[in-house]
Amino acid sequence: AQKITQTQPGMFVQEKEAVTLDCTYDTSDQSYGLFWYKQPSSGEMIFLIYQGSYDEQNATEGRYSLNFQKARKSANLVISASQLGDSAMYFCAMREGLGGYNKLIFGAGTRLAVHP
Amino acid sequence: NAGVTQTPKFQVLKTGQSMTLQCAQDMNHEYMSWYRQDPGMGLRLIHYSVGAGITDQGEVPNGYNVSRSTTEDFPLRLLSAAPSQTSVYFCASSPAGQGADEQYFGPGTRLTVT
Repeated sequence: AQKITQTQPGMFVQEKEAVTLDCTYDTSDQSYGLFWYKQPSSGEMIFLIYQGSYDEQNATEGRYSLNFQKARKSANLVISASQLGDSAMYFCAMREGLGGYNKLIFGAGTRLAVHP
Repeated sequence: NAGVTQTPKFQVLKTGQSMTLQCAQDMNHEYMSWYRQDPGMGLRLIHYSVGAGITDQGEVPNGYNVSRSTTEDFPLRLLSAAPSQTSVYFCASSPAGQGADEQYFGPGTRLTVT
């Protein structure tokens, strides 16, 4: 069965430094997609970045990059040059298959605190 | 373009009461979903729909009903509220297709059942 594991309940980082949030996944499917969402204290879910299982290059979106290690089944989120506004919950999610309805399985999340 | 809207934002129910959480999207997305988020946990899928007239169960469907009579609307009905249904409920929509079709989430409804 699909499973997403985020082993860091909480992380903190100094402003302007980089931070890595861990995510490992378990699936028997060859085709899948991995997502990261940000949830600030206001509660909304904000899409950050996506990686498909067949993508050969790591995804990047501005200050966000996804360190995709397929053999290790890990999809860590790297935030460069942290800002105070990055303080939030971060969720890793997976979707099996690359077409059709994208039913997402979420991890438990990591709370990131950025210190000035 | 309002995206995904949910009403109400907050709701308090007594055990046994019923209610409907409303969700609407104006992006003409085929797919819509309902999730619940409990403290310390990620989101879990309740029900989803791949188009008008088509719905299916997710991971935690018990105690909830859905219907999809139009592309825009996907209401979630609590039949007889229980304290275990105290949660934050998110509606999401996405276009049909492949690849990075991220789900667009509504702002959420915080429900308390006493």
